[in-house]
Amino acid sequence: KAGVTQTPRYLIKTRGQQVTLSCSPISGHRSVSWYQQTPGQGLQFLFEYFSETQRNKGNFPGRFSGRQFSNSRSEMNVSTLELGDSALYLCASSLAGTKTEEQYFGPGTRLTVT
Amino acid sequence: TQLLEQSPQFLSIQEGENLTVYCNSSSVFSSLQWYRQEPGEGPVLLVTVVTGGEVKKLKRLTFQFGDARKDSSLHITAAQPGDTGLYLCAGDDLNNDMRFGAGTRLTVKP
Repeated sequence: KAGVTQTPRYLIKTRGQQVTLSCSPISGHRSVSWYQQTPGQGLQFLFEYFSETQRNKGNFPGRFSGRQFSNSRSEMNVSTLELGDSALYLCASSLAGTKTEEQYFGPGTRLTVT
Repeated sequence: TQLLEQSPQFLSIQEGENLTVYCNSSSVFSSLQWYRQEPGEGPVLLVTVVTGGEVKKLKRLTFQFGDARKDSSLHITAAQPGDTGLYLCAGDDLNNDMRFGAGTRLTVKP
Protein backbone atom coordinates (compact mmCIF):
# COMPACT_ATOMS: atom_id res chain seq x y z
CA LYS A 1 0.00 0.00 0.00
CA ALA A 2 1.19 3.52 -0.73
CA GLY A 3 3.14 5.35 1.95
CA VAL A 4 2.67 8.86 3.28
CA THR A 5 3.04 11.43 0.54
CA GLN A 6 3.84 15.10 0.91
CA THR A 7 3.63 17.85 -1.64
CA PRO A 8 5.47 19.79 -2.72
CA ARG A 9 8.85 18.24 -1.92
CA TYR A 10 10.71 21.54 -2.23
CA LEU A 11 9.54 25.12 -1.90
CA ILE A 12 11.21 28.51 -1.92
CA LYS A 13 9.33 31.47 -0.52
CA THR A 14 10.09 35.05 0.43
CA ARG A 15 9.76 36.58 3.89
CA GLY A 16 6.24 37.76 4.56
CA GLN A 17 4.58 35.32 2.19
CA GLN A 18 2.41 32.46 3.28
CA VAL A 19 2.68 28.78 2.35
CA THR A 20 0.45 25.69 2.39
CA LEU A 21 1.88 22.19 2.59
CA SER A 22 -0.08 19.01 1.95
CA CYS A 23 0.08 15.52 3.42
CA SER A 24 -1.77 12.40 2.31
CA PRO A 25 -1.67 9.69 4.96
CA ILE A 26 -1.58 5.96 4.42
CA SER A 27 -5.00 4.69 3.43
CA GLY A 28 -7.05 3.95 6.55
CA HIS A 29 -4.92 6.10 8.86
CA ARG A 30 -6.92 8.79 10.62
CA SER A 31 -4.22 10.50 12.66
CA VAL A 32 -1.82 12.95 11.05
CA SER A 33 0.95 14.74 12.93
CA TRP A 34 3.20 17.52 11.68
CA TYR A 35 6.79 18.18 12.70
CA GLN A 36 9.39 20.81 11.91
CA GLN A 37 12.97 19.57 11.54
CA THR A 38 15.96 21.91 11.67
CA PRO A 39 19.65 21.10 12.22
CA GLY A 40 19.75 23.06 15.45
CA GLN A 41 16.48 22.02 17.08
CA GLY A 42 15.88 18.59 15.62
CA LEU A 43 12.29 17.46 15.17
CA GLN A 44 9.72 19.57 16.94
CA PHE A 45 6.07 18.65 17.20
CA LEU A 46 3.68 21.12 15.58
CA PHE A 47 0.22 19.56 15.90
CA GLU A 48 -1.81 16.41 15.48
CA TYR A 49 -5.15 15.95 13.78
CA PHE A 50 -7.59 13.11 14.18
CA SER A 51 -10.98 12.90 12.46
CA GLU A 52 -10.73 16.51 11.29
CA THR A 53 -10.06 17.83 14.81
CA GLN A 54 -6.83 19.20 16.21
CA ARG A 55 -6.09 16.93 19.15
CA ASN A 56 -2.66 18.18 20.28
CA LYS A 57 -0.62 21.27 19.62
CA GLY A 58 3.04 21.99 20.14
CA ASN A 59 4.66 25.23 21.20
CA PHE A 60 4.60 27.16 17.93
CA PRO A 61 3.20 30.64 17.22
CA GLY A 62 -0.25 31.13 15.77
CA ARG A 63 1.28 31.71 12.31
CA PHE A 64 1.39 27.93 12.09
CA SER A 65 -1.99 26.34 11.53
CA GLY A 66 -3.41 23.21 10.04
CA ARG A 67 -6.51 21.34 9.12
CA GLN A 68 -7.64 17.87 8.21
CA PHE A 69 -10.23 16.88 5.67
CA SER A 70 -12.82 14.13 5.80
CA ASN A 71 -10.54 11.85 3.75
CA SER A 72 -7.82 12.33 6.42
CA ARG A 73 -5.61 14.37 4.12
CA SER A 74 -4.07 17.26 6.01
CA GLU A 75 -2.65 20.65 5.20
CA MET A 76 -0.52 22.98 7.23
CA ASN A 77 -0.26 26.69 6.63
CA VAL A 78 2.41 29.13 7.69
CA SER A 79 1.58 32.80 7.33
CA THR A 80 3.95 35.78 7.34
CA LEU A 81 6.99 33.62 6.73
CA GLU A 82 10.21 34.36 8.60
CA LEU A 83 13.76 33.29 7.73
CA GLY A 84 13.71 30.98 10.75
CA ASP A 85 10.84 29.02 9.26
CA SER A 86 13.26 27.44 6.79
CA ALA A 87 13.13 23.76 7.66
CA LEU A 88 12.08 20.29 6.62
CA TYR A 89 8.40 19.83 7.44
CA LEU A 90 7.45 16.23 8.06
CA CYS A 91 4.07 14.68 8.47
CA ALA A 92 3.41 11.28 9.98
CA SER A 93 0.30 9.15 9.97
CA SER A 94 -1.01 6.35 12.15
CA LEU A 95 -4.26 4.48 12.51
CA ALA A 96 -5.58 6.23 15.60
CA GLY A 97 -2.63 8.16 17.00
CA THR A 98 -2.30 6.12 20.19
CA LYS A 99 1.09 5.99 21.88
CA THR A 100 1.66 2.31 21.16
CA GLU A 101 1.14 2.71 17.44
CA GLU A 102 3.88 3.17 14.90
CA GLN A 103 3.93 6.49 13.08
CA TYR A 104 4.83 6.41 9.41
CA PHE A 105 6.62 9.49 8.16
CA GLY A 106 6.48 11.05 4.74
CA PRO A 107 9.62 12.27 2.95
CA GLY A 108 8.99 15.86 3.99
CA THR A 109 8.70 19.24 2.32
CA ARG A 110 11.87 21.29 2.39
CA LEU A 111 10.91 24.94 2.77
CA THR A 112 13.47 27.67 2.18
CA VAL A 113 12.56 31.23 3.12
CA THR A 114 14.70 33.96 1.57
CA THR B 1 17.38 22.99 25.63
CA GLN B 2 16.44 19.60 24.30
CA LEU B 3 14.28 17.41 26.49
CA LEU B 4 16.17 14.46 25.04
CA GLU B 5 19.93 14.87 24.69
CA GLN B 6 21.63 12.62 22.19
CA SER B 7 25.34 11.95 22.06
CA PRO B 8 27.55 12.03 20.23
CA GLN B 9 26.18 14.51 17.74
CA PHE B 10 28.37 13.13 14.95
CA LEU B 11 30.13 9.79 14.62
CA SER B 12 32.31 8.58 11.77
CA ILE B 13 33.66 5.04 11.89
CA GLN B 14 35.07 2.33 9.65
CA GLU B 15 33.03 -0.63 8.46
CA GLY B 16 33.22 -3.48 10.96
CA GLU B 17 33.60 -1.34 14.07
CA ASN B 18 31.17 -1.35 16.97
CA LEU B 19 29.51 1.78 18.31
CA THR B 20 27.09 3.01 20.95
CA VAL B 21 24.95 6.14 20.84
CA TYR B 22 23.06 7.57 23.78
CA CYS B 23 19.79 9.28 24.53
CA ASN B 24 19.51 10.94 27.94
CA SER B 25 16.93 12.98 29.79
CA SER B 26 16.13 14.22 33.26
CA SER B 27 12.49 13.29 32.64
CA VAL B 28 10.81 9.92 32.87
CA PHE B 29 9.24 8.57 29.71
CA SER B 30 6.52 5.97 29.40
CA SER B 31 8.28 4.69 26.30
CA LEU B 32 11.16 5.58 24.03
CA GLN B 33 11.46 5.04 20.34
CA TRP B 34 14.48 4.92 18.06
CA TYR B 35 14.29 6.00 14.43
CA ARG B 36 16.75 6.10 11.53
CA GLN B 37 16.46 8.83 8.94
CA GLU B 38 18.27 8.74 5.62
CA PRO B 39 18.85 11.79 3.42
CA GLY B 40 15.72 12.88 1.58
CA GLU B 41 13.50 10.60 3.62
CA GLY B 42 11.42 10.75 6.77
CA PRO B 43 12.40 8.86 9.93
CA VAL B 44 11.67 5.14 10.03
CA LEU B 45 10.86 3.46 13.34
CA LEU B 46 13.45 0.89 14.46
CA VAL B 47 12.15 -0.08 17.90
CA THR B 48 9.98 0.96 20.85
CA VAL B 49 11.09 0.21 24.41
CA VAL B 50 8.55 0.46 27.19
CA THR B 51 9.86 -1.34 30.29
CA GLY B 52 12.69 -0.04 32.47
CA GLY B 53 15.77 -2.20 31.94
CA GLU B 54 14.38 -3.65 28.73
CA VAL B 55 16.82 -4.85 26.09
CA LYS B 56 15.71 -5.43 22.51
CA LYS B 57 17.81 -6.87 19.71
CA LEU B 58 17.23 -6.28 16.04
CA LYS B 59 19.91 -8.19 14.11
CA ARG B 60 23.12 -6.20 14.77
CA LEU B 61 21.32 -3.47 16.72
CA THR B 62 20.81 -3.70 20.49
CA PHE B 63 18.56 -1.21 22.26
CA GLN B 64 18.45 -0.70 26.00
CA PHE B 65 16.02 1.32 28.12
CA GLY B 66 17.41 2.57 31.42
CA ASP B 67 16.02 1.18 34.66
CA ALA B 68 14.60 4.58 35.57
CA ARG B 69 13.17 5.07 32.07
CA LYS B 70 15.11 8.31 31.61
CA ASP B 71 17.74 7.15 29.15
CA SER B 72 18.38 4.70 26.36
CA SER B 73 21.26 3.44 24.28
CA LEU B 74 21.67 1.94 20.84
CA HIS B 75 24.61 -0.37 20.19
CA ILE B 76 25.53 -1.43 16.66
CA THR B 77 27.83 -4.39 16.16
CA ALA B 78 30.03 -4.67 13.08
CA ALA B 79 28.68 -1.50 11.48
CA GLN B 80 28.07 -1.49 7.74
CA PRO B 81 27.85 1.41 5.27
CA GLY B 82 24.10 0.77 5.07
CA ASP B 83 23.83 1.79 8.74
CA THR B 84 24.74 5.36 7.77
CA GLY B 85 22.03 7.82 8.73
CA LEU B 86 20.61 10.07 11.42
CA TYR B 87 19.57 8.13 14.52
CA LEU B 88 16.81 9.80 16.51
CA CYS B 89 15.32 8.93 19.86
CA ALA B 90 11.83 10.06 20.81
CA GLY B 91 9.57 9.80 23.81
CA ASP B 92 6.25 11.00 25.14
CA ASP B 93 6.51 13.90 27.57
CA LEU B 94 4.14 14.65 30.44
CA ASN B 95 1.69 16.26 28.00
CA ASN B 96 1.75 13.10 25.90
CA ASP B 97 3.41 15.00 23.05
CA MET B 98 6.12 13.20 21.12
CA ARG B 99 9.54 14.77 21.79
CA PHE B 100 12.57 14.03 19.65
CA GLY B 101 16.26 14.39 20.33
CA ALA B 102 18.42 16.25 17.81
CA GLY B 103 19.93 12.97 16.68
CA THR B 104 23.30 11.32 16.12
CA ARG B 105 24.56 11.50 12.57
CA LEU B 106 26.42 8.26 11.86
CA THR B 107 28.72 7.72 8.89
CA VAL B 108 30.14 4.26 8.27
CA LYS B 109 32.99 4.30 5.80
CA PRO B 110 33.71 1.23 3.67
